[in-house]
Amino acid sequence: EAQVTQNPRYLITVTGKKLTVTCSQNMNHEYMSWYRQDPGLGLRQIYYSMNVEVTDKGDVPEGYKVSRKEKRNFPLILESPSPNQTSLYFCASSLSIPTKDSPLHFGNGTRLTVT
Amino acid sequence: AQSVTQPDIHITVSEGASLELRCNYSYGATPYLFWYVQSPGQGLQLLLKYFSGDTLVQGIKGFEAEFKRSQSSFNLRKPSVHWSDAAEYFCAVGISGTYKYIFGTGTRLKVLA
Repeated sequence: EAQVTQNPRYLITVTGKKLTVTCSQNMNHEYMSWYRQDPGLGLRQIYYSMNVEVTDKGDVPEGYKVSRKEKRNFPLILESPSPNQTSLYFCASSLSIPTKDSPLHFGNGTRLTVT
Repeated sequence: AQSVTQPDIHITVSEGASLELRCNYSYGATPYLFWYVQSPGQGLQLLLKYFSGDTLVQGIKGFEAEFKRSQSSFNLRKPSVHWSDAAEYFCAVGISGTYKYIFGTGTRLKVLA
């Protein structure tokens, strides 16, 4: 089954403790992206990747890192999490650049709480 | 600057009633337009998409959307809402030639039995 898999689904951590949220897709998609969803703000893009070893900042990249060493995986790294990074995070992928025939496929989300 | 506006934060309709969710975008050219639905605890699922051609597009679950260039709108409609349609709906724009998507802030739909 074609899917985007995120882990974990829920994560509670403390300020400053490094964490990684994993994302994997099995559709051979070139494009992968991370979003955070906050009430009243919708989805905001954190980072995206056009292919292996090619990444770029989205609208809210501060406090986050990503890597794309393999085509299928795109982990999100919080080196020193802070409470303002408490949010619902989504990983998404698409075949290529956004077109009618290349919509985004989303994972089920990771709810992160930083205390 | 490109933007997507969903003016209604919450909408409540009775089961069986018709539904229209509004979406306006700001973009210089014709964008790629999408509607996604997010059920509780789930990721976003594509309902329908538009780039060119017929301005009325059909999607899954009985939804349709109409692109109106003159109004920069892409409103989502359903003739008869079911209780299972209760969810949050997001309008999104894909910027041609880039990897950028812009999402609206979402409309949360409540369906009364």
